Amino acid sequence: AQTVTQSQPEMSVQEAETVTLSCTYDTSENNYYLFWYKQPPSRQMILVIRQEAYKQQNATENRFSVNFQKAAKSFSLKISDSQLGDTAMYFCAFMKRQGAQKLVFGQGTRLTINP
Amino acid sequence: GAVVSQHPSWVICKSGTSVKIECRSLDFQATTMFWYRQFPKQSLMLMATSNEGSKATYEQGVEKDKFLINHASLTLSTLTVTSAHPEDSSFYICSARDGVAYGELFFGEGSRLTVL
Repeated sequence: AQTVTQSQPEMSVQEAETVTLSCTYDTSENNYYLFWYKQPPSRQMILVIRQEAYKQQNATENRFSVNFQKAAKSFSLKISDSQLGDTAMYFCAFMKRQGAQKLVFGQGTRLTINP
Repeated sequence: GAVVSQHPSWVICKSGTSVKIECRSLDFQATTMFWYRQFPKQSLMLMATSNEGSKATYEQGVEKDKFLINHASLTLSTLTVTSAHPEDSSFYICSARDGVAYGELFFGEGSRLTVL
């Protein structure tokens, strides 16, 4: 079974700073996807970024980028130039490429951006 | 992007009654939908995988008779909480897979259930 671990329950930074959220996972699979989802107070889950395990290049989406270390099973999220709207719960998630494509979520990190 | 809609967004019911929550994919056909449960300040826990035209696959520890899932069409899955009790109060979220966009899952807005 796959497990996803987020070791930072809460983080807080000042607006415009850069923040990195940690995520590690455990799996015996070789082909899989990794995701970061954002859940703001509205509770709507929003996809932030996606990484395919077979791709060595780290995914980037505007101010969001990941550091994917497959051998170490690490998948951290870096938010640059943080904005007040980035305040939310962030969940790291794992999904096997084959099969039912179920998402396995980490415990979440509550990120607060202070003005 | 693809849209998944849940209804109702908030429901309050009396203990012992049954409540149905709908999950619809608005602009794509979803052969597979997933139902999650989220307690306050906790992560999402997968309850079951719903496949169109077949029985749902429940995760270990989830009562099939308590949480009835029906996926009668490619755009609609329903979750019925039967004989609800206060401990069933939670936030329920569905997600749907677009068969064309491989690996992409889209989430509904969630439904908050409060059982009195």
